Amino acid sequence: LAKTTQPISMDSYEGQEVNITCSHNNIATNDYITWYQQFPSQGPRFIIQGYKTKVTNEVASLFIPADRKSSTLSLPRVSLSDTAVYYCLVGDGGSSNTGKLIFGQGTTLQVKP
Amino acid sequence: DAGVTQSPTHLIKTRGQQVTLRCSPISGHKSVSWYQQVLGQGPQFIFQYYEKEERGRGNFPDRFSARQFPNYSSELNVNALLLGDSALYLCASSWTVNEQFFGPGTRLTVL
Repeated sequence: LAKTTQPISMDSYEGQEVNITCSHNNIATNDYITWYQQFPSQGPRFIIQGYKTKVTNEVASLFIPADRKSSTLSLPRVSLSDTAVYYCLVGDGGSSNTGKLIFGQGTTLQVKP
Repeated sequence: DAGVTQSPTHLIKTRGQQVTLRCSPISGHKSVSWYQQVLGQGPQFIFQYYEKEERGRGNFPDRFSARQFPNYSSELNVNALLLGDSALYLCASSWTVNEQFFGPGTRLTVL
């Protein structure tokens, strides 16, 4: 499974757009890119998943360049409640259910008023 | 629909004791995974079970074991507890390996 690298921490202000970039140079052909959010003393929560180009849902957007060696999670107009740790993961998104998720240290996002 | 549930929420044990943690997956999910999260670090994969069979195992000693029942609920057992086993233990259920739904976790403290 590909290793990921992301910034340890980021600061932002309410109402701003936040972009968190993740590097995954050794991503495999069948790997998907997935982002999770985790609040203190809670389990991680799935945010978004993509394979290439751009994916958007009601919470975030995920931008993936053609070489897929990096990805960017974009959070529009953050609020104080978006303060959390954000994890970037890559892995086999197939239905075999034989894989595992490898979490790195994540990016701690601090949103200030 | 209820999400993933875990019990107990908190647990205090002493070194050398044994502990059993329980997890009930989201209805319809057949895969259950266990993770250990030490303070300040990301979750570390321990086990995955699918249809009552072990499908994956992380780099944890044999003191850690798990099983999945016919109703897809799961138990994680840890024997001969060490101080370093103090952590948040997370259970996740899923249809696919990437989109996993996590429970609130069990906070284990070993004294």
